[in-house]
Amino acid sequence: EAGVTQFPSHSVIEKGQTVTLRCDPISGHDNLYWYRRVMGKEIKFLLHFVKESKQDESGMPNNRFLAERTGGTYSTLKVQPAELEDSGVYFCASSQDRGSAEAFFGQGTRLTVV
Amino acid sequence: DAKTTQPTSMDCAEGRAANLPCNHSTISGNEYVYWYRQIHSQGPQYIIHGLKNNETNEMASLIITEDRKSSTLILPHATLRDTAVYYCIVRPIAYNDMRFGAGTRLTVKP
Repeated sequence: EAGVTQFPSHSVIEKGQTVTLRCDPISGHDNLYWYRRVMGKEIKFLLHFVKESKQDESGMPNNRFLAERTGGTYSTLKVQPAELEDSGVYFCASSQDRGSAEAFFGQGTRLTVV
Repeated sequence: DAKTTQPTSMDCAEGRAANLPCNHSTISGNEYVYWYRQIHSQGPQYIIHGLKNNETNEMASLIITEDRKSSTLILPHATLRDTAVYYCIVRPIAYNDMRFGAGTRLTVKP
């Protein structure tokens, strides 16, 4: 069974540009999460989808970040326009829809804004 | 949400058991204890979770005290590849997302 897949693995963009990160969850997992780790800091929750609906987006840093999950399958996280402080590793995770289900993480996208 | 307290770092000799403690003194009755680890810059890896009873799987054992205020993750025979940051997370059953703290950096030495 394929795990959580993230594209691209690395991205280097200039300040002010737009970047879109993609996450393909494990097939059948209704829950999809985005996390971010800025260098030297802890892994921080960004938001949580249940199917195509945003269940919790309390961790989204500002309105430059837009997450979508059309059709309840893969998800995209767009940063527009990117700022230097957006650099970090963005992780996606997915889990089944049962109370104690563990979440499985992708390998992350390392974003560098220069 | 209950918060967790873990030592910042620990060392373990290769081949010996690694015992990683976690304090969660304010845990509620509907909250599970989860353990994840992050090896270098890879994505966090699920290890094990439990509610009340001790749990064991192919990776590790989880020992939860009777009052549920603390737990211990046991890696029975640590290898160099177990060097990682280990996260103890307490999560209510009604919520799905994991909230990470600083974790314990475990270094397995030859």
